[in-house]
Amino acid sequence: GAVVSQHPSWVICKSGTSVKIECRSLDFQATTMFWYRQFPKQSLMLMATSNEGSKATYEQGVEKDKFLINHASLTLSTLTVTSAHPEDSSFYICSALSGSAVGADTQYFGPGTRLTVL
Amino acid sequence: QKEVEQNSGPLSVPEGAIASLNCTYSDRGSQSFFWYRQYSGKSPELIMSIYSNGDKEDGRFTAQLNKASQYVSLLIRDSQPSDSATYLCAAERDDKIIFGKGTRLHILP
Repeated sequence: GAVVSQHPSWVICKSGTSVKIECRSLDFQATTMFWYRQFPKQSLMLMATSNEGSKATYEQGVEKDKFLINHASLTLSTLTVTSAHPEDSSFYICSALSGSAVGADTQYFGPGTRLTVL
Repeated sequence: QKEVEQNSGPLSVPEGAIASLNCTYSDRGSQSFFWYRQYSGKSPELIMSIYSNGDKEDGRFTAQLNKASQYVSLLIRDSQPSDSATYLCAAERDDKIIFGKGTRLHILP
């Protein structure tokens, strides 16, 4: 299956600092990537859709100035949490869309990044 | 209006039995459906995708789709303790995939 990596796998930072998370599709090109956030024992919450070469589309309630997304190439999307605060502590997961032979796209998830803001 | 609904569980099934997970979706325009498994503290991994009405089998897993009833299910045969996880149902809509909240499955040794 398609492989998606994320870096770092975990990060601890001080309140007020910015953190960048990378998402890479390793063996396929992904024109579309997605960023999710998941709080403990909660469902995945879609934050934004990242399209290569264009601006990200944010879901309602997600601050685009706080969560900066850059999809600079067909294999890399980055999420920067700016001025992080303790309430931003969460599990951030990216996924990449892979076209399949049957004509439907399938999302493959990265391993996730656990962010802890002190 | 919830778009993909699942019973949160937990669903407890004896080892070796069949686990049956159910899901309903609201958007009749959805064409693609997925089942993901998520272990605690890990990201989801794709188990099955299904696009046509009927059954699709892959090893111990069988996905079932009924578009008329807007219903998707996942059967796990010969359940193993390692199948204990949260199972997420997902439906494609407008180039996005909408996830249900997941059903926690617990296989009893």
